[in-house]
Amino acid sequence: EAGVAQSPRYKIIEKRQSVAFWCNPISGHATLYWYQQILGQGPKLLIQFQNNGVVDDSQLPKDRFSAERLKGVDSTLKIQPAKLEDSAVYLCASRRRGDYNEQFFGPGTRLTVL
Amino acid sequence: AQTVTQSQPEMSVQEAETVTLSCTYDTSESNYYLFWYKQPPSRQMILVIRQEAYKQQNATENRFSVNFQKAAKSFSLKISDSQLGDTAMYFCAFMKGNAGKSTFGDGTTLTVKP
Repeated sequence: EAGVAQSPRYKIIEKRQSVAFWCNPISGHATLYWYQQILGQGPKLLIQFQNNGVVDDSQLPKDRFSAERLKGVDSTLKIQPAKLEDSAVYLCASRRRGDYNEQFFGPGTRLTVL
Repeated sequence: AQTVTQSQPEMSVQEAETVTLSCTYDTSESNYYLFWYKQPPSRQMILVIRQEAYKQQNATENRFSVNFQKAAKSFSLKISDSQLGDTAMYFCAFMKGNAGKSTFGDGTTLTVKP
């Protein structure tokens, strides 16, 4: 089966600009996660979707970050406006139903904010 | 809220030897799952091994095994017969049952030396 797809792979922007990331999960995976991974740290959960509903967005900086998952499939994560501290890798992961199932990760989008 | 602590930022091991990576977690949940993920340099994160909290038997996957001490909230990963391809960052992850909410540690960078 095809893996989790993410685009773009790399993005460089100036601070205060906007940026959007796209994720296509594995077909049939109901749960989708967006993580922020700062260099040298573990992934930090930004938002979790179950189908097209939000399960957890408690760590999403809602004043500048937004995410949606239309029709319970693809998802986009937007940052507007970006800050220097948003420089990180943004990982998307998906998971089948069932607690035992692991997350499958995409290759990530490396964002550099100048 | 759950926390996951990996106290060894970096470790190294000689090829063919055994190494153990530590992980402790804090939770009040009774239904949860624990995972070890591997993130090779510039490559995608993949699952190494998983453990259901309700199972007393430690999980094993070929050269990888865990020592799960539920009372101590400890979940260490043992890699036997280390190979050069094991060089990667290893993340311990906690997943709450039912909702699938995840928390990751900050990782341990493992270098296998020839």
